[in-house]
Amino acid sequence: NAGVTQTPKFQVLKTGQSMTLQCAQDMNHEYMSWYRQDPGMGLRLIHYSVGAGITDQGEVPNGYNVSRSTTEDFPLRLLSAAPSQTSVYFCASSYFIAGGLFEQYFGPGTRLTVT
Amino acid sequence: KQEVTQIPAALSVPEGENLVLNCSFTDSAIYNLQWFRQDPGKGLTSLLLIQSSQREQTSGRLNASLDKSSGRSTLYIAASQPGDSATYLCAVLNNDMRFGAGTRLTVKP
Repeated sequence: NAGVTQTPKFQVLKTGQSMTLQCAQDMNHEYMSWYRQDPGMGLRLIHYSVGAGITDQGEVPNGYNVSRSTTEDFPLRLLSAAPSQTSVYFCASSYFIAGGLFEQYFGPGTRLTVT
Repeated sequence: KQEVTQIPAALSVPEGENLVLNCSFTDSAIYNLQWFRQDPGKGLTSLLLIQSSQREQTSGRLNASLDKSSGRSTLYIAASQPGDSATYLCAVLNNDMRFGAGTRLTVKP
């Protein structure tokens, strides 16, 4: 299994540009999520999905869109990039067990800089 | 709103020491708590997962405990090694997953 893969690894955008961060997992996990990590702030949840066709907002959703057309893929779209979106973005997946989620598996991250 | 705090923010110890990292959370109604390791410029690696019904989990030199009633978890690392140098993050799951800011550990040879 490749686990959770993310592309690209690095990206530089100009303010106002749009782009899509790709995330895929091959573990047949129902749950997928996107986080951003900023210095000194830990990881914050952007959006998540509990299955194909179902998405919901996390703690910091503004400026980002997601869709989940298949179990494997969960792309994150930046509609109009802003310098405040400069961050490291992590995708994660998990499956459900009684009482909640099992442990989450993380991708290697995408380092995004918006100038 | 769940808030997760990790103390200390940074820790430097000589090789061979036993050490404890702390994690506290404000809402005790959690499903599980997970400890991660993050090396510089890398993603997160899961170390230990404690379900809400459990009190501790062990893996090799690592032992994590959970006290839901007091909103605390500790990660104990025995006989630390330079290879343990990394940032350690704890995360708790309620309706979504909330992370602490991490403890940056340096183990000096």
